[in-house]
Amino acid sequence: DAGITQSPRHKVTETGTPVTLRCHQTENHRYMYWYRQDPGHGLRLIHYSYGVKDTDKGEVSDGYSVSRSKTEDFLLTLESATSSQTSVYFCAISESGTSGREQYFGPGTRLTVT
Amino acid sequence: GENVEQHPSTLSVQEGDSAVIKCTYSDSASNYFPWYKQELGKRPQLIIDIRSNVGEKKDQRIAVTLNKTAKHFSLHITETQPEDSAVYFCAASINWGNQFYFGTGTSLTVIP
Repeated sequence: DAGITQSPRHKVTETGTPVTLRCHQTENHRYMYWYRQDPGHGLRLIHYSYGVKDTDKGEVSDGYSVSRSKTEDFLLTLESATSSQTSVYFCAISESGTSGREQYFGPGTRLTVT
Repeated sequence: GENVEQHPSTLSVQEGDSAVIKCTYSDSASNYFPWYKQELGKRPQLIIDIRSNVGEKKDQRIAVTLNKTAKHFSLHITETQPEDSAVYFCAASINWGNQFYFGTGTSLTVIP
């Protein structure tokens, strides 16, 4: 597996509380992504980053924010968690190139909002 | 944005038979099509990919075909084995991978 870690791996939190998930890579890849995975929906992109301090929204970005202050770290923040944000969150990385960018996924974080 | 549809959602085959999973996409600008395998409780892992300038790609028992005109691509697994049992996802990427759009997954069960 590519050098990608996520923390925490499991979290239970209450509605209305802020939550930050961390993705850390040791591959020096330019691109980093946050997805959520829900039954019947596959993987849906929340936000992605194409460099330090360069981020953009994905298809399900409402209620989430991200930050990338270093190449190796990409943080996902739920400002005020809701039950609809209960999900498994995957971080992914890919390197830039002109021939397509293979993505490698982290181990995932299971978040439960009660 | 891009819309990727994947069929079937579940698939059961006898060991040794072939399995085929199909995906369609909507945006003709998509040019990179990876397939991922996800075992229960694990992360998705890339198993094969194809780019828009290629019609077919093979890797041992796995092959992917792409029909750009019809905007569909398929995963073919031959001589299936129980360890092929997993959820498989297709994806499409525009602009050389700035964003990836995933299908909803196919749960493949290989019956010994």
